[in-house]
Amino acid sequence: ETGVTQSPTHLIKTRGQQVTLRCSSQSGHNTVSWYQQALGQGPQFIFQYYREEENGRGNFPPRFSGLQFPNYSSELNVNALELDDSALYLCASSLMEPNTEAFFGQGTRLTVV
Amino acid sequence: AQSVTQLDSHVSVSEGTPVLLRCNYSSSYSPSLFWYVQHPNKGLQLLLKYTSAATLVKGINGFEAEFKKSETSFHLTKPSAHMSDAAEYFCVVRGRTGGGNKLTFGTGTQLKVEL
Repeated sequence: ETGVTQSPTHLIKTRGQQVTLRCSSQSGHNTVSWYQQALGQGPQFIFQYYREEENGRGNFPPRFSGLQFPNYSSELNVNALELDDSALYLCASSLMEPNTEAFFGQGTRLTVV
Repeated sequence: AQSVTQLDSHVSVSEGTPVLLRCNYSSSYSPSLFWYVQHPNKGLQLLLKYTSAATLVKGINGFEAEFKKSETSFHLTKPSAHMSDAAEYFCVVRGRTGGGNKLTFGTGTQLKVEL
């Protein structure tokens, strides 16, 4: 167990709807990153939050947004869902310092129909 | 920008034989490299990491990897495969891009272990 928990574990949404995914980071970690893993592919970096501020973003449109709270937990919000948003969404908890590893949650499986 | 290339999308070995999963990296500076494993319907588990200390890195479950700068490689090995090793393996590079310490994943290698 990594100490990183994500909720919900599975979710089915309709195209055009909005979704919020949640992540509780490992105790002591101040950085949360979100990744999208489409079926049969490696995870792709969405964005990272450090001390409640976005600290880097991958090649994802603005309808993907996030928040980090004072306790370092985080949310990923996706608006106007598209079928291609169906994927496993992974949250990773870490420290900002170099040479430290990231610990991943079990992920949220999002299906858009 | 940094990237990793996993040279094999699928590797099949017999139980008890050695495992070799190949990874080449590209980075404009000294990289931090990792191997993660993902079992079906599970999250990602860290196997090992290289962070510019010893070039031969030992990880969990008998896995190890050697950082070779001259070959820009970070191959994952295990002397003897076990059935429980069957999973997807990802080679990962970490670097500062656009202000964030993002991880860049390879496309993955599916390891199959046969009796």
